[in-house]
Amino acid sequence: DAGVIQSPRHEVTEMGQEVTLRCKPISGHNSLFWYRQTMMRGLELLIYFNNNVPIDDSGMPEDRFSAKMPNASFSTLKIQPSEPRDSAVYFCASSFLAGDQPQHFGDGTRLSIL
Amino acid sequence: GIQVEQSPPDLILQEGANSTLRCNFSDSVNNLQWFHQNPWGQLINLFYIPSGTKQNGRLSATTVATERYSLLYISSSQTTDSGVYFCAVGFIDYKLSFGAGTTVTVRA
Repeated sequence: DAGVIQSPRHEVTEMGQEVTLRCKPISGHNSLFWYRQTMMRGLELLIYFNNNVPIDDSGMPEDRFSAKMPNASFSTLKIQPSEPRDSAVYFCASSFLAGDQPQHFGDGTRLSIL
Repeated sequence: GIQVEQSPPDLILQEGANSTLRCNFSDSVNNLQWFHQNPWGQLINLFYIPSGTKQNGRLSATTVATERYSLLYISSSQTTDSGVYFCAVGFIDYKLSFGAGTTVTVRA
């Protein structure tokens, strides 16, 4: 079975540009998570979707960040405009049930904002 | 949120050695997961283990929820075991609190 698929794997762009990260969860999973990993703050939950509905976006750092899940097999995380401090590895994860099942992570997107 | 402490922070092993990683948490949990982040950055779910003991090949894990700790055992370590091991815990809902991780280096 295919795991969580993220794209792109690497993104380098200049500050001020719009960045879109993409995620395809594991088929049948109804919970989707976006995380950010930095050396300083470790792994942080940005937003959680259940059945395509955003349940908790309290971890989204500011209004420059937005996330959508138009259907059960696709989600995007957008940063507009991007800033150098947004540089991090962004992970998408999915699970069958949010609190009672393991979370499976994609390979991540390594984002560098120059 | 629930506080998670992992120990030791760093571990250097000779290939073939056994080791134990510990995860202590500050409150009741019903969700505990162990992850391995390999040198390429991939995060692999090793165990979903809110209580009891599980084994998967050379790895095993035990969680004693009443005493608020979990242990991850690596036996006959291999260089491919190198990386960072994270413990993550949650209670009732979806939010996982991650520990700072244990960095394991296995030398050939």
